[in-house]
Amino acid sequence: TQLLEQSPQFLSIQEGENLTVYCNSSSVFSSLQWYRQEPGEGPVLLVTVVTGGEVKKLKRLTFQFGDARKDSSLHITAAQPGDTGLYLCAGVKSGGTSYGKLTFGQGTILTVHP
Amino acid sequence: DAGVTQSPTHLIKTRGQQVTLRCSPKSGHDTVSWYQQALGQGPQFIFQYYEEEERQRGNFPDRFSGHQFPNYSSELNVNALLLGDSALYLCASSSVNTQYFGPGTRLTVL
Repeated sequence: TQLLEQSPQFLSIQEGENLTVYCNSSSVFSSLQWYRQEPGEGPVLLVTVVTGGEVKKLKRLTFQFGDARKDSSLHITAAQPGDTGLYLCAGVKSGGTSYGKLTFGQGTILTVHP
Repeated sequence: DAGVTQSPTHLIKTRGQQVTLRCSPKSGHDTVSWYQQALGQGPQFIFQYYEEEERQRGNFPDRFSGHQFPNYSSELNVNALLLGDSALYLCASSSVNTQYFGPGTRLTVL
């Protein structure tokens, strides 16, 4: 059972289009991170959200944390070929003694065609 | 300020062999976590070290073991390698709410 369900798994779009990636769970998270990963490299942190309802913007990327801290979304406006990569959401479960253990979604492979 | 570093970059082993992977955390970080990432999937948590002790462990067999040194660097050891152990092994060091990942070690088991 996947604790974090990420969708879609694959996304192939044309340059200039908008897209949204979703990360959903039945569990509450104390924080949630979004990462971007290139082939053969480690994930690079894009953003951390910690407050329910929080919205963060990073240039053309907008991240939202659900009010109940169970879900998150990543929206990209006017996608560019340089946005191509694997996008991962990862959360730290609320409560208990998680000590910051990250639980990852399956990832979304985004391809932006020129 | 150097980020998280890992060595080696790539490694090829045969079934039954043992392997040791190394990680140096970001300056000021005292917690190191290890993850296994199979091709096309999200990383899976192996274990976390803090103050030279294993603080938390994921669903991995005892063939996977680790160590943390007084300077906070860490090693991941895998014994009796199986073909299914082929993966990208990631090390992450932590600050509040956030983990920063190294570039990974690509392990291929033949």
